[in-house]
Amino acid sequence: EVQLLESGGGLVQPGWSLRLSCTASGFTFSNYAMTWVRQAPGKGLEWVSTISGGGNSKYYADSVRGRFTISRDNSKNTAYLEMHTVRAEDTAIYYCAKDLYSGSQLGGGFDYWGQGTLVAVSS
Amino acid sequence: ETVLTQSPDTLSLSPGERATLSCRASQSVSSYLAWYQQKPGQAPRLLIYDASNRATGIPARFSGTGSGTDFTLTISSLEPEDFAVYYCQQRSNWLWTFGQGTKVEIK
Repeated sequence: EVQLLESGGGLVQPGWSLRLSCTASGFTFSNYAMTWVRQAPGKGLEWVSTISGGGNSKYYADSVRGRFTISRDNSKNTAYLEMHTVRAEDTAIYYCAKDLYSGSQLGGGFDYWGQGTLVAVSS
Repeated sequence: ETVLTQSPDTLSLSPGERATLSCRASQSVSSYLAWYQQKPGQAPRLLIYDASNRATGIPARFSGTGSGTDFTLTISSLEPEDFAVYYCQQRSNWLWTFGQGTKVEIK
């Protein structure tokens, strides 16, 4: 059974840093790109960042590029999102999600999601 | 950046009725479009991928059509558990975007 478990969320002050983790099980982790998607309170879904299965390719939304860093440790089946210089508008539930397709095939979608971890940015 | 616009914002229907949700892309996304369902307090669930393929375990009452810039998600006969928010999503190379969502509510 595929499972994704996020952790690391919490209350953080503007300008501070935070690291989110997503621990996976039930599939060959290194074969799949992993993605972070966030959802501000009462709002829609926003793609944040994606990392390829091997970790060599990383992609970011304009809203977080230069402030957030995605990484993964395939030996630990874990993906990370390092959040720096956080802002009030980064307040959201952060979900990690697994690509439907292995490798770099276009299309598909995200077939498994974690339960999310809440990040609240406030002084 | 490819923008996805969903319509309508809200759809008020009764159980047993047919729901038709639209998603329009600002430029062609070929067939690289997915649909998700999200219920309050839950993570999104993949319904349709590559415009018309049902994900594992998704009932046959859900169907997707379209290509290029115009896509449709149809729920043939609404069940009580289908009242939720639906999002479309596209991938251009390695950049993903979501539509703003359509809420399907009980009339």
